[in-house]
Amino acid sequence: QVQLVESGGGLVKPGGSLRLSCTASGFTFSDYYMSWIRQAPGKGLEWLSYISSDAITVHYSDSVKGRLTVSRDNAKNSLSLQLNSLRAEDTAVYYCVRDRGYYFDFWGQGTLVVVSS
Amino acid sequence: DIQMTQSPSSVSASIGDRVNITCRASQGISNWLAWYQQKPGKAPKVLIHAASKLQSGVPPRFSGSGSGTDFTLTITSLQPEDFATYYCQQGNSFPFTFGPGTKVDLQ
Repeated sequence: QVQLVESGGGLVKPGGSLRLSCTASGFTFSDYYMSWIRQAPGKGLEWLSYISSDAITVHYSDSVKGRLTVSRDNAKNSLSLQLNSLRAEDTAVYYCVRDRGYYFDFWGQGTLVVVSS
Repeated sequence: DIQMTQSPSSVSASIGDRVNITCRASQGISNWLAWYQQKPGKAPKVLIHAASKLQSGVPPRFSGSGSGTDFTLTITSLQPEDFATYYCQQGNSFPFTFGPGTKVDLQ
């Protein structure tokens, strides 16, 4: 079955950086687009980034553009997110999701990132 | 960016009720719309995509309709496991955007 497992969350100081990883299994990772979505505590869902199956095309939300880098390693079935210059408002659960081009059909369990001194 | 709005923001309903949730896009998105259900502490789950296509494994009491700017998610005969928050999402153009959510709780 399709599984997406995020790792790397935790407590990070303002101004710091975070790197999250997502390991995929149960499907041919290299055939699918992937995205990252986050959800601040008690808030709604915010799409952050899309990466094409071949990693050639990447799109970012304006809210994180310039601070966010997303990459993938199809040989390792893995997706990565690096977010720099962290602010309190980056506190959220970060989800790795399989992207079907216009909707998201499988989500990881999410990893919580807390930005606080 | 395409803005998504939902109404109502919350609805109280009883088991067996029919519930309608409306989603509106700030500009036309054809049928590039999905609906998700999220329960507390869990990741969202897709219910409907392409405005009206039921995702595999989702009970047929869930249905979607609409195109352009106005969409509706309907839950016929609400079940105990349906109490959750529902989000719409447009996939017409980047950045993909979500509605603010509609919480369905027990009356």
